[in-house]
Amino acid sequence: GAGVSQSPSNKVTEKGKDVELRCDPISGHTALYWYRQSLGQGLEFLIYFQGNSAPDKSGLPSDRFSAERTGGSVSTLTIQRTQQEDSAVYLCASSLASGYSPGTDTQYFGPGTRLTVL
Amino acid sequence: SQELEQSPQSLIVQEGKNLTINCTSSKTLYGLYWYKQKYGEGLIFLMMLQKGGEEKSHEKITAKLDEKKQQSSLHITASQPSHAGIYLCGADTDSNYQLIWGAGTKLIIKP
Repeated sequence: GAGVSQSPSNKVTEKGKDVELRCDPISGHTALYWYRQSLGQGLEFLIYFQGNSAPDKSGLPSDRFSAERTGGSVSTLTIQRTQQEDSAVYLCASSLASGYSPGTDTQYFGPGTRLTVL
Repeated sequence: SQELEQSPQSLIVQEGKNLTINCTSSKTLYGLYWYKQKYGEGLIFLMMLQKGGEEKSHEKITAKLDEKKQQSSLHITASQPSHAGIYLCGADTDSNYQLIWGAGTKLIIKP
């Protein structure tokens, strides 16, 4: 079946502009994660959605960042008034479930969106 | 220091040679995930190890979990150009959905 898809694959924007990044998780996966990956760095957790529960927004770096997940499927990450330090690859992942069940917790990643803020 | 250390940061290996990448946690490991990433692509899931000294193999890649050392090693036998990429480990240290991540090991295979 189809994997996680993300769009756009690349986004170049000017400082101060807003951007929207989209993630389509694997069908049937209830958990969805957003990460940020800067050059040479590991993954920085941003936000987590699980079913109809309130999202865990603890990783969002500032109030310029927000995300929503409509209908328990597609998710959009919005960055307002972009800054140069927002430049990074934004990765989305989904998993079948969540909770302590490593087999179903395995996260499957999309190809990422490379954001460049000029 | 990072909670999850990967070593080495980068590795250049002659094609056909064996290599090992390590992932060491400062916390108890409840699960350890290995992924591979190529430029412009997302992370590809390789394998997951659970607590208990587990070892798994996939083709020429073997990963082990040493719970006493709080460490996992990923070993590639007879490396090939297709093995080149960045290897990342992610660890479950709290039995919840959030993983902590290593910074990655960049592997280059010399022909």
